[in-house]
Amino acid sequence: EAGVAQSPRYKIIEKRQSVAFWCNPISGHATLYWYQQILGQGPKLLIQFQNNGVVDDSQLPKDRFSAERLKGVDSTLKIQPAKLEDSAVYLCASSSPKGRTGGANTEAFFGQGTRLTVV
Amino acid sequence: LAKTTQPISMDSYEGQEVNITCSHNNIATNDYITWYQQFPSQGPRFIIQGYKTKVTNEVASLFIPADRKSSTLSLPRVSLSDTAVYYCLVGDIPSNTGKLIFGQGTTLQVKP
Repeated sequence: EAGVAQSPRYKIIEKRQSVAFWCNPISGHATLYWYQQILGQGPKLLIQFQNNGVVDDSQLPKDRFSAERLKGVDSTLKIQPAKLEDSAVYLCASSSPKGRTGGANTEAFFGQGTRLTVV
Repeated sequence: LAKTTQPISMDSYEGQEVNITCSHNNIATNDYITWYQQFPSQGPRFIIQGYKTKVTNEVASLFIPADRKSSTLSLPRVSLSDTAVYYCLVGDIPSNTGKLIFGQGTTLQVKP
């Protein structure tokens, strides 16, 4: 099956500019995550969608970051205006939770990420 | 969400078995334990998930004691390609609203 697709792969922008990242999850996956990973750190959850509804956006800097998942499929993450500290890799992941019946494994599949450099 | 603690780094040699232990003293009844692997310039990749006792797949084994306050990821006979960061996650992951919260991870360096 096709994996999680993200674009662009790399992006360099100046501070105060805006940028958008796109994610196409695995077909049929209801849950979609956006993470920010700063060099040397673990991924930080920014927002989690269940279909087109937001499950958790508690760590999303809402004054400059926004995300949407129209029609419960593709998703876009936007930063406006960007700051130097936003330089990071932005990862998208998707999963299809099966519930706890039978203890079925639930794994999230990650895209390769978008490396953002703000100068 | 239960906080996890794992060593920041570990070194090993090719062919050895590597055990990475994760502490999660505040694990909840509905929480599962999941391990991910991340190579440079790639997104994390699922390795294994368990609830209690022992789970084994083609890649690794996961040992969980009865009190579930810790878990150990075991990688048999590591090779250079197993050099990566390994993350332990604890949460009600299989549920529809389960969160994937990553900590700092353990950087494993496998030497020839």
